[in-house]
Amino acid sequence: SQTIHQWPATLVQPVGSPLSLECTVEGTSNPNLYWYRQAAGRGLQLLFYSVGIGQISSEVPQNLSASRPQDRQFILSSKKLLLSDSGFYLCAWSVGQANYGYTFGSGTRLTVV
Amino acid sequence: TQLLEQSPQFLSIQEGENLTVYCNSSSVFSSLQWYRQEPGEGPVLLVTVVTGGEVKKLKRLTFQFGDARKDSSLHITAAQPGDTGLYLCGSARQLTFGSGTQLTVLP
Repeated sequence: SQTIHQWPATLVQPVGSPLSLECTVEGTSNPNLYWYRQAAGRGLQLLFYSVGIGQISSEVPQNLSASRPQDRQFILSSKKLLLSDSGFYLCAWSVGQANYGYTFGSGTRLTVV
Repeated sequence: TQLLEQSPQFLSIQEGENLTVYCNSSSVFSSLQWYRQEPGEGPVLLVTVVTGGEVKKLKRLTFQFGDARKDSSLHITAAQPGDTGLYLCGSARQLTFGSGTQLTVLP
């Protein structure tokens, strides 16, 4: 069966520090991968998605970047965090064009102080 | 960007009551999904609706896709405290989500 792992679960980082969040998927090949950010108790904002190794599409210009070094690995990064980067970050995967939805990871709560 | 609007934003009801949550758009969607999310967790997929007019049931939850595939609804019968959570509609294919309905079911 397919599983998705996202870590860390919680992170507190000072302003100006770097960030690396990792997401891996098991049990499937060539998944579409996504990073979303969620404000407290609200909807999801798409940050990045990837349809293959090294292929990244950015939806929102910002202080963040994403990379896909391996087929089932998706990394969200920042060189210098801002206070506004605080939020709940979710990784997700789908088969193909996601006609039947996503499977989400358990999320990372990032607090920038 | 295709927008999905959910209503109501917040809903607090007593155990045993029925409720309906709406997801509306001016755009046509090839499919829509409903998710339920608990605090500190990722959303969990409940259902996907694909065909206009489609109705799907999941125990006490009934999901309907509008005939024109622009809207959807979620109806919960005899709500229970375990139904509490954030309900999100979304179109994964079109990379868009509604802002969610926060449901609280009081015992």
